[in-house]
This record gives sequence, structure tokens and C-alpha cells, in this order.
Amino acid sequence: GQQLNQSPQSMFIQEGEDVSMNCTSSSIFNTWLWYKQEPGEGPVLLIALYKAGELTSNGRLTAQFGITRKDSFLNISASIPSDVGIYFCAGQLSLGAQKLVFGQGTRLTINP
Amino acid sequence: DTGVSQNPRHKITKRGQNVTFRCDPISEHNRLYWYRQTLGQGPEFLTYFQNEAQLEKSRLLSDRFSAERPKGSFSTLEIQRTEQGDSAMYLCASELRGGTEAFFGQGTRLTVV
Repeated sequence: GQQLNQSPQSMFIQEGEDVSMNCTSSSIFNTWLWYKQEPGEGPVLLIALYKAGELTSNGRLTAQFGITRKDSFLNISASIPSDVGIYFCAGQLSLGAQKLVFGQGTRLTINP
Repeated sequence: DTGVSQNPRHKITKRGQNVTFRCDPISEHNRLYWYRQTLGQGPEFLTYFQNEAQLEKSRLLSDRFSAERPKGSFSTLEIQRTEQGDSAMYLCASELRGGTEAFFGQGTRLTVV
């Protein structure tokens, strides 16, 4: 089936550092979404991307939809303790495909 | 609270028992999804409703699984004759038709012992 390869699998950083994670696929995606999940909770939508090349920000978060439509990245600037969690990329393969395909997640740990 | 609501939050059951989970989507959302998430993995699609019609089912949804959305509002997911491999977080999400932003509930964590 379709897969999203998300990297890195985990990150250990100091508070205040910038973070970058990405997602790649062999398939072309129509939409890219980035979610954050905390223990025992459902994923929370952070950023949605709809067009190739699109760059979108949400506070300290910035995400881009790759030009080839096969990749996306998420950056977090000046990390703070509440950024801890698991970040998932998700994509929709085509306009007619409603379901989301998720990456394996990037676990972010921040040392104060 | 106007978000997606799932009940129960946790369920522990003995192998072989049947369980049923409920999802109440955001009120104006006519699309509803079920996903399953195992430890250390991203959510995997199970099934999708548009209003009361079940439009797609994953191969992950074995014959022991059934989902309904009888009036196009809330949905139930039933697992019959549970197995230990069914232990997972079951997530519900809803979305407006024509939208591309699915909002998730807090999930139901199932443990089969």
C-alpha cells in the first residue's frame, strides 16, 4: 500500500532550538497535513497544505508542500516544552480519495 | 465542547467478547472516519461514511468488525469475538464534505486480555 516515510523517528533537543522533520513518498499526494499527538489523545491538526510549493505558517510552525508533490517538511522554531509530542504527516492521494495516509511519526523530546 | 467525542475512552475486555465504541462527530460534518492506531505507529484507515452511507472499507476491517452510522450523525464501531491483536487506539475523525481537514476525537483505547 501507499506509505509515507517520516524522518527522523525521534529527536532530542534543547529548549529554544529549531526543529525540522520531513515526509517523503513514492506517490504523488494531493494534500499534506501535519498533526501533533500527545499521550492518550487523538491527533490535533497543525497545518494543512493544498498546493505544490505552498509554504504555510502557524505561529512558530512552518510547513511546505514539496514541488514534486511527493514530500513535505515541518519546521518548529524556538522550541518550548509544550512542543513535546509525536508529530505525524498525513496525505490524501487524490481528489477522490478521502482517507488519510499517515507517516510513522516523529517523537520530539525537549530538554529544558 | 463542539469537538469530536468518543466513548468510552478506555475499554478492557476479555478475548472473545464483543465491544462497541461510539463516535459523535462535529455537528455540521457529514463525513466520518474510523482509524486504528497501534503503539509506535501512525493511524491506519479503517472505514469512511458520507452521511449514513459507508463508502469505503479497508482490508484491515475484517468480518469481525462492523461500523454503522444509521442517521448520518453518530457512528458505532463493533468488534465481535475480540482477539489480542485488536488491542489498539480506535480513532474517529469528522470532516465537512468538500473539506480536506479531518478533526480527530480523543480515541478509545481497547485492551484485550
